[in-house]
Amino acid sequence: GAVVSQHPSRVICKSGTSVKIECRSLDFQATTMFWYRQFPKQSLMLMATSNEGSKATYEQGVEKDKFLINHASLTLSTLTVTSAHPEDSSFYICSAPRDREPSITYNEQFFGPGTRLTVL
Amino acid sequence: AQSVTQPDIHITVSEGASLELRCNYSYGATPYLFWYVQSPGQGLQLLLKYFSGDTLVQGIKGFEAEFKRSQSSFNLRKPSVHWSDAAEYFCAVGPNAGNNRKLSWGLGTSLAVNP
Repeated sequence: GAVVSQHPSRVICKSGTSVKIECRSLDFQATTMFWYRQFPKQSLMLMATSNEGSKATYEQGVEKDKFLINHASLTLSTLTVTSAHPEDSSFYICSAPRDREPSITYNEQFFGPGTRLTVL
Repeated sequence: AQSVTQPDIHITVSEGASLELRCNYSYGATPYLFWYVQSPGQGLQLLLKYFSGDTLVQGIKGFEAEFKRSQSSFNLRKPSVHWSDAAEYFCAVGPNAGNNRKLSWGLGTSLAVNP
């Protein structure tokens, strides 16, 4: 159990277009999901916390209007990169902690396989 | 503020040799501690975690880690490295209470394995 999927796994788009990335918890509910960005050979940078039924919480320096997050249900969060530019090219990863876990595993997060975005 | 330090950016070991990857953290209380591995082009896989109890935790793929409160460390070890262990390793810490589930991440250690 505790599988998180992301779709698409890879996407190539033209500059100026918008790209939507989906993150799904396949076998558990996730009120909260996290979106990360990872540059080559670097660590994960938390972009935002996606909250089901409410607005996402963005980390400092992340443009809310550029990276739109919608947590439509307890198993789906989407990240839309609007008007993408080459500098948005990156590896985007989502994660989700399982709801209603015993407190001992409260913080364990399950990661999606990531989405490689290339903006031409 | 919490932080995670992985002092070694890159490590190279020979296959069959032992391995230790270092992780130090700064946190106000005892955090939850994690080690993740990321193979090239792949997502993150949890190797092991520490929440409480025995300070020596066993993980998958023959890895173990020891939590040392006095040193604020959570070093990852493996007695005999395999070529397939070449990957990026990340240490992460998170709060052990409350609704804040954010993890703080180290910068990662890149492991290369020589045949």
